[in-house]
Amino acid sequence: DGGITQSPKYLFRKEGQNVTLSCEQNLNHDAMYWYRQDPGQGLRLIYYSQIVNDFQKGDIAEGYSVSREKKESFPLTVTSAQKNPTAFYLCASSLPTLYSNQPQHFGDGTRLSIL
Amino acid sequence: AQKITQTQPGMFVQEKEAVTLDCTYDTSDPSYGLFWYKQPSSGEMIFLIYQGSYDQQNATEGRYSLNFQKARKSANLVISASQLGDSAMYFCALAGTASKLTFGTGTRLQVTL
Repeated sequence: DGGITQSPKYLFRKEGQNVTLSCEQNLNHDAMYWYRQDPGQGLRLIYYSQIVNDFQKGDIAEGYSVSREKKESFPLTVTSAQKNPTAFYLCASSLPTLYSNQPQHFGDGTRLSIL
Repeated sequence: AQKITQTQPGMFVQEKEAVTLDCTYDTSDPSYGLFWYKQPSSGEMIFLIYQGSYDQQNATEGRYSLNFQKARKSANLVISASQLGDSAMYFCALAGTASKLTFGTGTRLQVTL
């Protein structure tokens, strides 16, 4: 079945450490997104990419970095500059965003905690 | 700037009853879309229903319907015949020409026997 795979499901980060969250999709979607969700809150956009080798900052990009070398993959690195990284991270994908009626499809998420 | 407001942090509904979850929005985009997602305790986001700003009729998907009032900038989700499995967080989201989704803070729905 087509879908979005996020790994790992749980991740722990030490102080000063960079960690990378994986997101792979086999839906043949051009657009991919990373969101952060804090307890009791909605989702906030970190980065998004509408095409390979191109990506844009979302609302809370500071302390994060991404790459989009392949259509299927959109990894997110949480750098040591992100001082409060503990959150639930969700990856999503969709058809080209020219079609605003296309829903974003989400992975199962990664829970990141500080050791 | 786009904004979504969900004013009900939590709602209770009895099984088999209908419930309305409120959502108001603000945008300057002439064309936009409104989405509702369900998030069970396991964390995944499940797409429920979509309403386009120029759609003439309110959207329906099975037990889900959207009460769209464009002049009032509201897009309330109606769940009919509630089931225990409907207990979850529900998020309203707005998509505009900038192709980004803006989410509300969500409503936690609890279905009781």
